[in-house]
Amino acid sequence: GAVVSQHPSWVICKSGTSVKIECRSLDFQATTMFWYRQFPKQSLMLMATSNEGSKATYEQGVEKDKFLINHASLTLSTLTVTSAHPEDSSFYICSASENDHSYEQYFGPGTRLTVT
Amino acid sequence: GQNIDQPTEMTATEGAIVQINCTYQTSGFNGLFWYQQHAGEAPTFLSYNVLDGLEEKGRFSSFLSRSKGYSYLLLKELQMKDSASYLCAVMDSNYQLIWGAGTKLIIKP
Repeated sequence: GAVVSQHPSWVICKSGTSVKIECRSLDFQATTMFWYRQFPKQSLMLMATSNEGSKATYEQGVEKDKFLINHASLTLSTLTVTSAHPEDSSFYICSASENDHSYEQYFGPGTRLTVT
Repeated sequence: GQNIDQPTEMTATEGAIVQINCTYQTSGFNGLFWYQQHAGEAPTFLSYNVLDGLEEKGRFSSFLSRSKGYSYLLLKELQMKDSASYLCAVMDSNYQLIWGAGTKLIIKP
């Protein structure tokens, strides 16, 4: 149990375009979903925390207008990278929790974004 | 500020034992996690410690000393598939996970 999927697993897009990444909890209801970004040889960096039906809480330094997060249901959250630039190229990972705390986060497989 | 320290890289031999250390300074403590992450993949949960002492789970064990702000992950009977990064993360008083940079473990035959 506790499976989280992400789609797509990798995407290449041109600079200036937008990309949407989906995160789904397949066998449980995710009250809270987390979006992380990881650059090569670096640790996970939390971008934002989202609760179903409410606005996401962004970490300091993360542009909310550039990284749009929608947690529309208890099983789906989306991250849209708007007007992507090469520096947005990274590994984006979502995780989901059945409660309001980040205890027992279940991670998705990640999405590799390359902006050319 | 909040800080998690762990070695950047370690090398060990197949069949041997390796200990990966993690020290932390956080605002509050609600537990310490160890995750394994293979290159290009998402982290997978290994262990959770909230009380002092050793938690054993098969070939992997995790130790915590809250007074020292210290934990270690012990891997026994190393296998080639154990080559990965090992991430230490602490949950602070706001139930936020603070992540270490990870320790890349290289297993040699």
